[in-house]
Amino acid sequence: QKEVEQNSGPLSVPEGAIASLNCTYSDRGSQSFFWYRQYSGKSPELIMFIYSNGDKEDGRFTAQLNKASQYVSLLIRDSQPSDSATYLCAVNRDDKIIFGKGTRLHILP
Amino acid sequence: DTAVSQTPKYLVTQMGNDKSIKCEQNLGHDTMYWYKQDSKKFLKIMFSYNNKELIINETVPNRFSPKSPDKAHLNLHINSLELGDSAVYFCASSQSDAQPQHFGDGTRLSIL
Repeated sequence: QKEVEQNSGPLSVPEGAIASLNCTYSDRGSQSFFWYRQYSGKSPELIMFIYSNGDKEDGRFTAQLNKASQYVSLLIRDSQPSDSATYLCAVNRDDKIIFGKGTRLHILP
Repeated sequence: DTAVSQTPKYLVTQMGNDKSIKCEQNLGHDTMYWYKQDSKKFLKIMFSYNNKELIINETVPNRFSPKSPDKAHLNLHINSLELGDSAVYFCASSQSDAQPQHFGDGTRLSIL
């Protein structure tokens, strides 16, 4: 089983709708969870981080963590064309951060 | 002000050459990293330093040698470059190993 798994996509979502991105991880001891956005040709940019079970909201973004089921998700409300990017899920294991391969999100105008 | 800066942005060189990439952060972070992102966009950690001390050394060929003169700098030297080294190399920093990371703009290395 891969350490951090994401559906590679592309995930196509109409503008204004909710985009839902999912990530599962294998290490039950993981404590820190991150979502990064990466535009083509650019560096990863931190969107959200979450440490506790439940939801964490920041503007149009909501991170959801379920440690029992070992998944973390990112919801983007009122999707905009500028949200089109690759979203990387990252999880800590021991003393390092492991990245998933990313989900390509395409917002349809 | 640039938080994590790395130079050069582009590096085109021939197989067999030796090259270096420099990285500096002005965030006061204790931990710095080097990542490699290949053509399939998979971001993989190579090295991690905490306050100038090597913490993580993944299964990277010993042609790659990181150097941290102080906690604000982490440079990467690569000897005898090979075609498979072509990738984008990202430097990053964080306050500690489980904290959010801030990335530099990347160095696109192309081996001819």
